[in-house]
Amino acid sequence: DAKTTQPNSMESNEEEPVHLPCNHSTISGTDYIHWYRQLPSQGPEYVIHGLTSNVNNRMASLAIAEDRKSSTLILHRATLRDAAVYYCILSPRGNSGGSNYKLTFGKGTLLTVNP
Amino acid sequence: GAVVSQHPSRVICKSGTSVKIECRSLDFQATTMFWYRQFPKQSLMLMATSNEGSKATYEQGVEKDKFLINHASLTLSTLTVTSAHPEDSSFYICSASNGRDRQPQHFGDGTRLSIL
Repeated sequence: DAKTTQPNSMESNEEEPVHLPCNHSTISGTDYIHWYRQLPSQGPEYVIHGLTSNVNNRMASLAIAEDRKSSTLILHRATLRDAAVYYCILSPRGNSGGSNYKLTFGKGTLLTVNP
Repeated sequence: GAVVSQHPSRVICKSGTSVKIECRSLDFQATTMFWYRQFPKQSLMLMATSNEGSKATYEQGVEKDKFLINHASLTLSTLTVTSAHPEDSSFYICSASNGRDRQPQHFGDGTRLSIL
């Protein structure tokens, strides 16, 4: 499986934007880039995913480099509830084009949000 | 949004007990469910992939006779930890997928298993 590299930890202030980087230099052409986050003592929560184009949803934005070897998760205004471990995961598109793919979690980035 | 319910949220039991954990997709049909284990301060490790109506596929190093997985319907998968021992104490998390293209996996809130 293609691997990702993320900083172990990052710190942000409340109400400020946060840019969480992820390097995936061995990404293949069919790999989707997924971001999940995990709050303490909870299961992971889906944040966003993309393939080539930048993506936006109500939670965050995903900026994908033109060569797809890196991406950045953008939280536009961090809140205390955004404090979590953020995982950047690559996953190949399934044979059927569906989502029956395995997710291989790395260590992620622990985001601390200061009030 | 899609909801996955996991039960129980916490279990404390004696060594040698078998423990069953349920994972339900509440508002969608889950063609595939995944079971993960997470030790303190570590990341999630995939244990097995379960497709409805067929045998689960276990990851290398995971004992299939120790961790029994059943996925008999499109909304329910169960993980049974048989004859649990203290080293099986962990945070067990399930996720479910509806198999549709580009749809994310949805995770349960996990089960904290403590074996005394």
